[in-house]
Amino acid sequence: DARVTQTPRHKVTEMGQEVTMRCQPILGHNTVFWYRQTMMQGLELLAYFRNRAPLDDSGMPKDRFSAEMPDATLATLKIQPSEPRDSAVYFCATAWDSLETQYFGPGTRLLVL
Amino acid sequence: DQQVKQNSPSLSVQEGRISILNCDYTNSMFDYFLWYKKYPAEGPTFLISISSIKDKNEDGRFTVFLNKSAKHLSLHIVPSQPGDSAVYFCAASGSARQLTFGSGTQLTVLP
Repeated sequence: DARVTQTPRHKVTEMGQEVTMRCQPILGHNTVFWYRQTMMQGLELLAYFRNRAPLDDSGMPKDRFSAEMPDATLATLKIQPSEPRDSAVYFCATAWDSLETQYFGPGTRLLVL
Repeated sequence: DQQVKQNSPSLSVQEGRISILNCDYTNSMFDYFLWYKKYPAEGPTFLISISSIKDKNEDGRFTVFLNKSAKHLSLHIVPSQPGDSAVYFCAASGSARQLTFGSGTQLTVLP
């Protein structure tokens, strides 16, 4: 049963702290997307990678957010320093070669106090 | 600037009746459209899609209609079941093959 895995599922932190969210793509998927879901904006694309190379991170606040894929089995999204407005659910989704049928992980619910 | 809009944040329907969820888009370069379904505490799951060369695609109880001239698509669920209660996201993509999502519609199917 192939699934996208995300850790942690929940994170509560204080403003100013670093937050790292992890995603394990479905084996064989070479495209990884990071989304943020808020009540006001719905699902926003933050960044995406193909074959571990970043293709588009225009949706990401560059000064505090960074996304990497150290290897084919791990994608990370970091926020440093975190702010209360970063509170949201962060989803990772993966696909085979940028096909539109993306498979989403369960999300990381982040609360920054 | 929302390129994909779902103007109804919520919809309630009686079990057995038809549910119609609507979505409008503004970018004429979009050529592929999808619907995703999301339950609480889970990620969205793919439901059905349609290419711009078609105006209808059907999969069981789910049918998606595309009206390119109106830049409008809709998802019909017939008959609606209580298990269909979820948030439904409309999404669109163009040549860049990135998905742009709408803000979602919460569907509640009443028993």
